[in-house]
Amino acid sequence: GNSVTQMEGPVTLSEEAFLTINCTYTATGYPSLFWYVQYPGEGLQLLLKATKADDKGSNKGFEATYRKETTSFHLEKGSVQVSDSAVYFCAYQGGSEKLVFGKGTKLTVNP
Amino acid sequence: EAGVTQFPSHSVIEKGQTVTLRCDPISGHDNLYWYRRVMGKEIKFLLHFVKESKQDESGMPNNRFLAERTGGTYSTLKVQPAELEDSGVYFCASSRSRLGYGYTFGSGTRLTVV
Repeated sequence: GNSVTQMEGPVTLSEEAFLTINCTYTATGYPSLFWYVQYPGEGLQLLLKATKADDKGSNKGFEATYRKETTSFHLEKGSVQVSDSAVYFCAYQGGSEKLVFGKGTKLTVNP
Repeated sequence: EAGVTQFPSHSVIEKGQTVTLRCDPISGHDNLYWYRRVMGKEIKFLLHFVKESKQDESGMPNNRFLAERTGGTYSTLKVQPAELEDSGVYFCASSRSRLGYGYTFGSGTRLTVV
């Protein structure tokens, strides 16, 4: 069935390190793809999105490119900050309205 | 505008008890969704309301779960009787549009069944 597989954490980095969190999906058609973030004590927030192949979503220095050929939507940031410590969720929305999420990746950034 | 509000933020109950979670969506958002994350697993869809009607309840795990949205405003999710496997974080989201990027999520209710 349809699913999202993302890199399992936890991931621990030093400030200013490069971040990649891998995400691949299994779905038919052309789903919309998302990264959500949950900061400690807060709800899920949309970080970025891409709605068609080759689109690049970006926000707060994070980027992800919708790769149809590899069914991937990897999240990257060139220089992470302590404030980026959070749990990151990859998700897609296909023909139905529900979001399908990955398991989440906990990122800790140390000063 | 005010965000999506959920309460309680935490609830600890004993197996067999009843718990009711509440979600207040953003005013004017016809679409309301419930999701759940069991520890270490994916966030999974439970159900979707459009106004007061259940549009899709395919994710509801069993008949111990009852969701309502009387009057098309706030929603409640009741678990009766609660079991240990019901522990997790329950998220509510609302949107005007049915497109994913229009979702606004609440902070969630952490339910622990002991």
